[in-house]
Amino acid sequence: EVQLVESGGGLVKPGGSLRVSCAASGFTFSSYSMNWVRQAPGKGLEWVSSITSAGTYIYYADSVKGRFTISRDNAKNSLYLQMNSLRAEDTAVYYCARGGYCSGGRCYGEHFDNWGQGTRVTVSS
Amino acid sequence: QSALTQPASVSGSPGQSITISCTGTSSDVGYYDFVSWYQQHPGKAPELMIYDVTNRPSGVSNRFSGSKSGNTASLAISGLQADDEADYYCSSFTTSSTVVFGGGTKLTVL
Repeated sequence: EVQLVESGGGLVKPGGSLRVSCAASGFTFSSYSMNWVRQAPGKGLEWVSSITSAGTYIYYADSVKGRFTISRDNAKNSLYLQMNSLRAEDTAVYYCARGGYCSGGRCYGEHFDNWGQGTRVTVSS
Repeated sequence: QSALTQPASVSGSPGQSITISCTGTSSDVGYYDFVSWYQQHPGKAPELMIYDVTNRPSGVSNRFSGSKSGNTASLAISGLQADDEADYYCSSFTTSSTVVFGGGTKLTVL
């Protein structure tokens, strides 16, 4: 069974930093692209960032580019999101989501078939 | 990266059918057949219902179906059931290799 478990959320002041993590199990983590998706309180889903299986290609939403860094450790089956220069509008539940299967340098599938339960990040003074 | 456009709410009675639209641009919905739909119940994580416009993951009821015409994709739900009441989000891959979601549609089963 695929499991994604996020951790590391909490309360941080504006301008501060936080790193959230996602521990994966139940599948070959190193063969899949991974994503972060967030949801502000009472709002819709917003894609944040994606990383291919080997970390070769990384993409960000304009709203976080230059402030957030996605990374992964395939040996630890873990995904990370380092968030710097945090703003009030970054307050959200952050979900880890599995993307497409990657093979031979290509990834197949642009949908998110498994999600974690989310970790809450609150940016407030 | 403007959000895809969905109606804020739709409703239907048990047993009826409804359709939710999702309008994008020629750089996302209209360019790729990489439209997905997600169901989210309150306080829960989203669940994939449709991918690549028309495909259902295993375990998803065949009452759910997807389609696309030009820059607009649609999710249809037939035989509405009480448990279908939830928020629904569309998403699309874009020509910038990013993903964009719709604003979400609240489905009410009357």
